[in-house]
Amino acid sequence: NAGVMQNPRHLVRRRGQEARLRCSPMKGHSHVYWYRQLPEEGLKFMVYLQKENIIDESGMPKERFSAEFPKEGPSILRIQQVVRGDSAAYFCASSPPGAASYEQYFGPGTRLTVT
Amino acid sequence: AQSVTQPDIHITVSEGASLELRCNYSYGATPYLFWYVQSPGQGLQLLLKYFSGDTLVQGIKGFEAEFKRSQSSFNLRKPSVHWSDAAEYFCAVGDFGNEKLTFGTGTRLTIIP
Repeated sequence: NAGVMQNPRHLVRRRGQEARLRCSPMKGHSHVYWYRQLPEEGLKFMVYLQKENIIDESGMPKERFSAEFPKEGPSILRIQQVVRGDSAAYFCASSPPGAASYEQYFGPGTRLTVT
Repeated sequence: AQSVTQPDIHITVSEGASLELRCNYSYGATPYLFWYVQSPGQGLQLLLKYFSGDTLVQGIKGFEAEFKRSQSSFNLRKPSVHWSDAAEYFCAVGDFGNEKLTFGTGTRLTIIP
């Protein structure tokens, strides 16, 4: 049973470019979460999605960031017009459906570097 | 709003010694509590979790944690550490009905021979 998959593992973008981060949840999991980890800090929640729905985006910056989890295919975290402050590790987690399933399984992360 | 405090930024212990990593949380109701471990350049692996019931929970790799409501703590312990335990450890609290996790800032564990 494959774990949560993220690609790319490392991404370098110049200021002003777009970054697209992909996350494939574990088989059978329908909930996806994105977290950001800045250097020397813990993870900060960004967004929680279910298939075709954004459930909670309270941690998403108001501009330039968007996320989707389509009916088919991986979840995408998109950052437009990246700036140096966007350099961080972005982690995706997934969990199975169910009212009390708060056990999240994390992917290996995408390390974004903005030059 | 919920929050998690890990007061120790960095801990160094000798191989074979016992370990305790501290975690304090702030949450109005009964929290869901987690410990994750992160090796350098890797993602997070779940060590153990507390939802309800027995306040002493066992996890993988010989770790355990004890939930103490009166102290708002969920400390992680291991009786004898191995060099492979060197990593960053994160405590997290879950929000019932919301499902997002709030993480502490982590404790970096160094093991010396």
